[in-house]
Formats: sequence, structure tokens, C-alpha cells
Amino acid sequence: SQKIEQNSEALNIQEGKTATLTCNYTNYSPAYLQWYRQDPGRGPVFLLLIRENEKEKRKERLKVTFDTTLKQSLFHITASQPADSATYLCALVGYSSASKIIFGSGTRLSIRP
Amino acid sequence: SQTIHQWPATLVQPVGSPLSLECTVEGTSNPNLYWYRQAAGRGLQLLFYSVGIGQISSEVPQNLSASRPQDRQFILSSKKLLLSDSGFYLCAWSAGSTDTQYFGPGTRLTVL
Repeated sequence: SQKIEQNSEALNIQEGKTATLTCNYTNYSPAYLQWYRQDPGRGPVFLLLIRENEKEKRKERLKVTFDTTLKQSLFHITASQPADSATYLCALVGYSSASKIIFGSGTRLSIRP
Repeated sequence: SQTIHQWPATLVQPVGSPLSLECTVEGTSNPNLYWYRQAAGRGLQLLFYSVGIGQISSEVPQNLSASRPQDRQFILSSKKLLLSDSGFYLCAWSAGSTDTQYFGPGTRLTVL
């Protein structure tokens, strides 16, 4: 069955460092992959999308890579700030219009001052 | 611009009582609509999705049901709540099945 794993439940890093979150998947060939941010008690908010034929996508301090051979996506936040503390979810979308987005369980990121 | 509303924001209900959660979307037509549940510290579990009025697909067999009486209205219901129904319920919409999903603010349901 299709499976998505995000590297750890929680990640704590020092302010100013680069945070790297991992999303691995099995038994799936996604058309593209999305990353969302979720703050406590709120709904997820879309951040970035990367297509299966793209290797890297950037948006301000965010960078996403997508390796379809390794079946892995990396999500980087450079120059991290305490305001970046949140749970980050990866999600996979298939090729078919009948596909549904499959979400990972998320990684809770804490940036300490 | 598009907005999505959910209510109520929080709800405390006794076991065996009925449930009705409502979600409405503004600023778009014929959206795909979704209901998710998120248990504490867990990922999103897709419960129902709808691609049009009266069209509901269920992902997880349970004592919940969904209805879409209007194009931009999605309702989650239960006749008798169970303790295991507690969680954070999120409604979302997308322009198509493979498009970005936009989530509502959520409803925190506690069943006692």
C-alpha cells in the first residue's frame, strides 16, 4: 500500500541554522509533491509544490528538492527563525484526476532563540 | 478571493449525541470538497470527499456521514457520537482533485 514517512516527529534546531525535513514515500509514483505548514489549532497552509520533473524549487528562505529515484523530498528552511516553528506536512498527488492527496503525519519543527 | 468557513470552532458533546459540522466556501464554483480528521499529534485522515452536489465518496467506514446539499456547502454528520470521534475536523477545498488544497480553520470536537 502507499506509504509516506516524514523523518521524525520533532526537530529542534538553533535559530539561524538551516532546518532540513525529510519526506519519503513507497509504492507510489506521484505527479507532484506539496509541502504545507500547520500551526497549533489551525488548518494546514500550502507552501510549495514541486513536480516530478523538477529537481528543486525555491521560495524566499524555503527550498524543496524532489528525487524520484530515491522517492524522497527534502524541505529546507535557511536562516531559521522562531516564527518558523510549526508542523510541516508533505503531501503526494498522483497523475489521475481521480487521485486524492495523501498527507504525511508531519514533522514538528521548533526553532530555539 | 476564496475563503472557507467552518463552524463551530469548538464542540463538546456527550457520547451518543448527534453531530453536525458545517463548511462553506466562498469565491469559487464547483470546488472539490473534503473532510479530514486529525487526532492529537497525528496526520490527516481523509474521511469524505465530494466532486459535486450530492456526490460523496467515503474513505473510512465509520459512524460518520457527509452531505453536499449545495455547490459550496459540505456537512459532516453523525447520528450517535463515539468517544473515538474526538479530534480536530478540517474541511478543505480544491479546484480539482490534483490541485492544492485550502483548509478551513477547523473544529475541535471532544466527545465525553
